[in-house]
Amino acid sequence: KQEVTQIPAALSVPEGENLVLNCSFTDSAIYNLQWFRQDPGKGLTSLLLIQSSQREQTSGRLNASLDKSSGRSTLYIAASQPGDSATYLCAVRGSGGYQKVTFGIGTKLQVIP
Amino acid sequence: DAGITQSPRHKVTETGTPVTLRCHQTENHRYMYWYRQDPGHGLRLIHYSYGVKDTDKGEVSDGYSVSRSKTEDFLLTLESATSSQTSVYFCAISESIASMNTEAFFGQGTRLTVV
Repeated sequence: KQEVTQIPAALSVPEGENLVLNCSFTDSAIYNLQWFRQDPGKGLTSLLLIQSSQREQTSGRLNASLDKSSGRSTLYIAASQPGDSATYLCAVRGSGGYQKVTFGIGTKLQVIP
Repeated sequence: DAGITQSPRHKVTETGTPVTLRCHQTENHRYMYWYRQDPGHGLRLIHYSYGVKDTDKGEVSDGYSVSRSKTEDFLLTLESATSSQTSVYFCAISESIASMNTEAFFGQGTRLTVV
């Protein structure tokens, strides 16, 4: 059974700081890994999708890396802004069967002005 | 944004009553999923569908049933709601791997309260 862990559970940083969110998964047989953002009371917004054959993806100030063999991914946020405050979720999509997507519990980020 | 609509967005119901949540997509994606999100548990898969009339159970399927009679609609039914089913429910869609478009898209969620 796939398990996804996100560390830390919560993070508070001053505006402008660079930060790293971590995600680990137990089964390396994945098809892809996706990072989402969730604002309070809202749905999930996809940030970055990394296919299993890729090592990283970048979008603006966000950079996600994937080390499938070690079961790890990181989300790097450069020059953090108060608008980045949200919960960040990591999800892995299995490569077998019905392509089940398994989520971590998330990291709640607060960026202090 | 992917065309996913969940209805209703909010519902309060009494214990023992049946409840149906609807997910409607305009993307013609093959896969559809129902998740619930609870504090401390993250998102957990309830049921999923891999085509019209093709559905299967997820990890927390007890007390829930689903139906998919059309590509665009995926219904989640609580046959007899219990307080433990108070949660936020999310619908998600994704295309098959063969299409190379494997990103998952989520609806805005339905907040269900069972009193």
